[in-house]
Amino acid sequence: TQLLEQSPQFLSIQEGENLTVYCNSSSVFSSLQWYRQEPGEGPVLLVTVVTGGEVKKLKRLTFQFGDARKDSSLHITAAQPGDTGLYLCAGEGLGGSYIPTFGRGTSLIVHP
Amino acid sequence: DVKVTQSSRYLVKRTGEKVFLECVQDMDHENMFWYRQDPGLGLRLIYFSYDVKMKEKGDIPEGYSVSREKKERFSLILESASTNQTSMYLCASKGQAGNTIYFGEGSWLTVV
Repeated sequence: TQLLEQSPQFLSIQEGENLTVYCNSSSVFSSLQWYRQEPGEGPVLLVTVVTGGEVKKLKRLTFQFGDARKDSSLHITAAQPGDTGLYLCAGEGLGGSYIPTFGRGTSLIVHP
Repeated sequence: DVKVTQSSRYLVKRTGEKVFLECVQDMDHENMFWYRQDPGLGLRLIYFSYDVKMKEKGDIPEGYSVSREKKERFSLILESASTNQTSMYLCASKGQAGNTIYFGEGSWLTVV
């Protein structure tokens, strides 16, 4: 079973601060997705990274896929209260498995 | 716009009742999933289906069954609901070729 470890589990910060969330595994993934889930809603896809070393930006969010495709990070610059939510990473294994592996999530609260 | 629709957002059922959670997707996806999400435990896979009438157990299938009679519809059945099945249930779908998993908005089930 491929496992994804997310850290930290909880983050409580003030508006304007920067933060980084990590997603690590001992396994190699063919692709990795980041989702955000707001309270009472289903997760919504933010980004998919496929190539080792890839960096993608989505406004104030920067996503990076590790060179070895075993880890990823999400960096938020100048966090805002609207960024509050649960951030989940999910990896798709090699060999064409169609069952993604999810991390347990990072719960982020941004205080105004 | 892609759409995964879960029929019930909030349900309250009594112990021992049979519960049906319905999920429909409009993307012609082959793969559909049912997860439950509990605080601190993340997303746990209950069952998945890779084709019509095909089903596979996930990590926590006990107490649940599923039905996939049509490609667009995947139903989760609790034969005899118990209080430890109180949870948020998420349906998801994924195409064969793509690596993005699309979620429904979730169904909050309370068993009393």
